[in-house]
Amino acid sequence: DAGITQSPRHKVTETGTPVTLRCHQTENHRYMYWYRQDPGHGLRLIHYSYGVKDTDKGEVSDGYSVSRSKTEDFLLTLESATSSQTSVYFCAISEVAYEQYFGPGTRLTVT
Amino acid sequence: GENVEQHPSTLSVQEGDSAVIKCTYSDSASNYFPWYKQELGKRPQLIIDIRSNVGEKKDQRIAVTLNKTAKHFSLHITETQPEDSAVYFCAASPGGSYIPTFGRGTSLIVHP
Repeated sequence: DAGITQSPRHKVTETGTPVTLRCHQTENHRYMYWYRQDPGHGLRLIHYSYGVKDTDKGEVSDGYSVSRSKTEDFLLTLESATSSQTSVYFCAISEVAYEQYFGPGTRLTVT
Repeated sequence: GENVEQHPSTLSVQEGDSAVIKCTYSDSASNYFPWYKQELGKRPQLIIDIRSNVGEKKDQRIAVTLNKTAKHFSLHITETQPEDSAVYFCAASPGGSYIPTFGRGTSLIVHP
């Protein structure tokens, strides 16, 4: 597996609280992505980054924000968690804008 | 934007049979088509990919074919084994884009 980690791996939080998920890579890849995975929906892009401090929205960005202050770290923040954000979140990286490598995932439950 | 349709959503086969998963895409500018395998509770992992200048690519028991005219591509798994049981995702990326569009996935079940 490519050098990509996510933290935490599991989290349970209450509705209305802010939550931050971290993706860390040791590959020095330029591109980083956050996806959510829900049954029947496959992988849906939340936000992506094409360089330090360069980010943009994906198809399901409402309620989420991101930051990338260093090449190796890409943070996903749920500003005020809702039950609809209960999901498995995957970070991915790529260098040549083709092959993507995924992190191990974070299972988030919002109660 | 790109739209990727993947069929079937579930595929059940007997061990040793072949399995075929099909995807169609809408953007004629797409030129990169990867396939990912995701085992239960694990991350998606790239298993094979094909670029638009190639019609077919093989890697042991798996192969991918691409028909640019019809805008569809397929994953073929021969001599299936129980460890092939997983969810398979196709994706398509337009040239110069680093944002792939994924299909919704196919759950492949291989019965011993």
